[in-house]
Amino acid sequence: DGGITQSPKYLFRKEGQNVTLSCEQNLNHDAMYWYRQDPGQGLRLIYYSQIVNDFQKGDIAEGYSVSREKKESFPLTVTSAQKNPTAFYLCASSAWDWGAEQYFGPGTRLTVT
Amino acid sequence: QKEVEQDPGPLSVPEGAIVSLNCTYSNSAFQYFMWYRQYSRKGPELLMYTYSSGNKEDGRFTAQVDKSSKYISLFIRDSQPSDSATYLCATSNSGYALNFGKGTSLLVTP
Repeated sequence: DGGITQSPKYLFRKEGQNVTLSCEQNLNHDAMYWYRQDPGQGLRLIYYSQIVNDFQKGDIAEGYSVSREKKESFPLTVTSAQKNPTAFYLCASSAWDWGAEQYFGPGTRLTVT
Repeated sequence: QKEVEQDPGPLSVPEGAIVSLNCTYSNSAFQYFMWYRQYSRKGPELLMYTYSSGNKEDGRFTAQVDKSSKYISLFIRDSQPSDSATYLCATSNSGYALNFGKGTSLLVTP
């Protein structure tokens, strides 16, 4: 089955710890994205990557880092510098084309206490 | 002004009703319009995709775009309890930047 997987589904961390969220896709998509969703808010773009070894900041990149060493994988690290890390994190992928449809993974709910 | 505005609801309708969900947007350069359905604690699922103005139909769902008034709509016919979810509209004028509304919560009661 083609799709996007994110792991883990739920993640709990203590304040001050870095944490890495996994995202893998087998859709052969060039572009991958990370969004954050908070209650009552729309999705906000954290980072995106058009191609391996290249990525761009989105609207709310502060306190986050990413890597793109393989086409299939786009892990997101939430660092201790992120002031409000508790949120629902969504990974998406698309073809790299104008207006290409983005497909989402199931999400990771991160709780930091 | 936020680029995409969407009434958060909640919207409650009886089973079998026609549902109308709407968004307005501010940037006339947007050309691509999408509707996503998101069940609680799940990732959004792409429901409808439209380029430029016009209507698109898929089963019980119809997406409508009116670029002159910067208004996009999703109609659901013969609504079912399984349609209960949050519906997100999104717009784009390029390959990467999707602008999302905050989502409308829909409840279809049996």
